[in-house]
Amino acid sequence: AQSVAQPEDQVNVAEGNPLTVKCTYSVSGNPYLFWYVQYPNRGLQFLLKYITGDNLVKGSYGFEAEFNKSQTSFHLKKPSALVSDSALYFCAVRDGRGGATNKLIFGTGTLLAVQP
Amino acid sequence: KAGVTQTPRYLIKTRGQQVTLSCSPISGHRSVSWYQQTPGQGLQFLFEYFSETQRNKGNFPGRFSGRQFSNSRSEMNVSTLELGDSALYLCASSSQALSYEQYFGPGTRLTVT
Repeated sequence: AQSVAQPEDQVNVAEGNPLTVKCTYSVSGNPYLFWYVQYPNRGLQFLLKYITGDNLVKGSYGFEAEFNKSQTSFHLKKPSALVSDSALYFCAVRDGRGGATNKLIFGTGTLLAVQP
Repeated sequence: KAGVTQTPRYLIKTRGQQVTLSCSPISGHRSVSWYQQTPGQGLQFLFEYFSETQRNKGNFPGRFSGRQFSNSRSEMNVSTLELGDSALYLCASSSQALSYEQYFGPGTRLTVT
């Protein structure tokens, strides 16, 4: 079955320090992976995607993600955290079973708290 | 371009009632998906529509139904509401049948009392 796992419910980091939010995946076939961010009382905002190509993917707001096939991971990173990055982050995989679909399977989410 | 809009933004209903939520995708987008977000179950897929056809349905009871109109606007309906239906309902649109980017609306917060 297609799935993603986010092993950390919460990540705490000081402003200015690098941050990593972890995600591992389990898929049959090629993985199409995504990161979304959700601010309080808001919908999800797309950050970045991995479809194919370079293992380091750059996205919005200075975020990037590293795809690692051998470790089946897709960790979200940022070199220098901002207080405004504090939000709920979701890793997702597109469910490729059953043909053409835009259906996403989401992880449980990781709350990122950046302290000033 | 205007983003995905969802109406209403907030809704309070009583157990046993039914509710209809609306989603207007980004202009030109023909694919609409719905998700339910709860603290306990996280984000769960409800339905997916493309050009008025339901392509996919999640593991929800038959009380949950949806449709898409010729202008790509979509509605979802929940009948005989239960307390457990209280959730944030999110709609996402994308331009193609198989797209790598989906754009989410702000959601409709449904509270069932």
